[in-house]
Amino acid sequence: QQQVKQSPQSLIVQKGGISIINCAYENTAFDYFPWYQQFPGKGPALLIAIRPDVSEKKEGRFTISFNKSAKQFSLHIMDSQPGDSATYFCAAGVDSSYKLIFGSGTRLLVRP
Amino acid sequence: GAVVSQHPSWVICKSGTSVKIECRSLDFQATTMFWYRQFPKQSLMLMATSNEGSKATYEQGVEKDKFLINHASLTLSTLTVTSAHPEDSSFYICSARREASGQYFGPGTRLTVT
Repeated sequence: QQQVKQSPQSLIVQKGGISIINCAYENTAFDYFPWYQQFPGKGPALLIAIRPDVSEKKEGRFTISFNKSAKQFSLHIMDSQPGDSATYFCAAGVDSSYKLIFGSGTRLLVRP
Repeated sequence: GAVVSQHPSWVICKSGTSVKIECRSLDFQATTMFWYRQFPKQSLMLMATSNEGSKATYEQGVEKDKFLINHASLTLSTLTVTSAHPEDSSFYICSARREASGQYFGPGTRLTVT
């Protein structure tokens, strides 16, 4: 119930392509869904987050798509760049409790 | 805004000694901070929730007497790994919750116990 399943485990994309990472959850009490980007040896950085009252949120090249009925959400990175190469984590939480449950991570490599 | 710092960034200690890691929210106040542990190429594992002015709440399986957490002010939480052993070697990351904004992470502390 508390798990957040993330796929794929790794992803290779050509420069300029679209990177898509998917996450699924079971707990319908979750009402906050952030995505984090982590470079080696660094802490995760908050990229973008969405709440269940909207189906899509876009910030620059990053877009979250949210499907409440399917209990799934995804991160799309448009025009992927080599500098986007990092590990991406989805997470889910109940905002009132502040705790986040993290997915297993996706290692993205964008080839020049 | 929403900068979180950690100190030290890395530390090497001998088995049996204790190590203190500091987590500070630099430009906002945080009543709630979190401590995570991350093994190489793995996800973040929540260890405990740190609440300002009260006792920390530990996740199942985390020894509270080994991982001492103190949240003495709205900008500082500390994690002390007591009687450290090689299996405690890991990347420890804190985060701080900013109201109406989200959870922001520190840069992490690499602990190596020899």
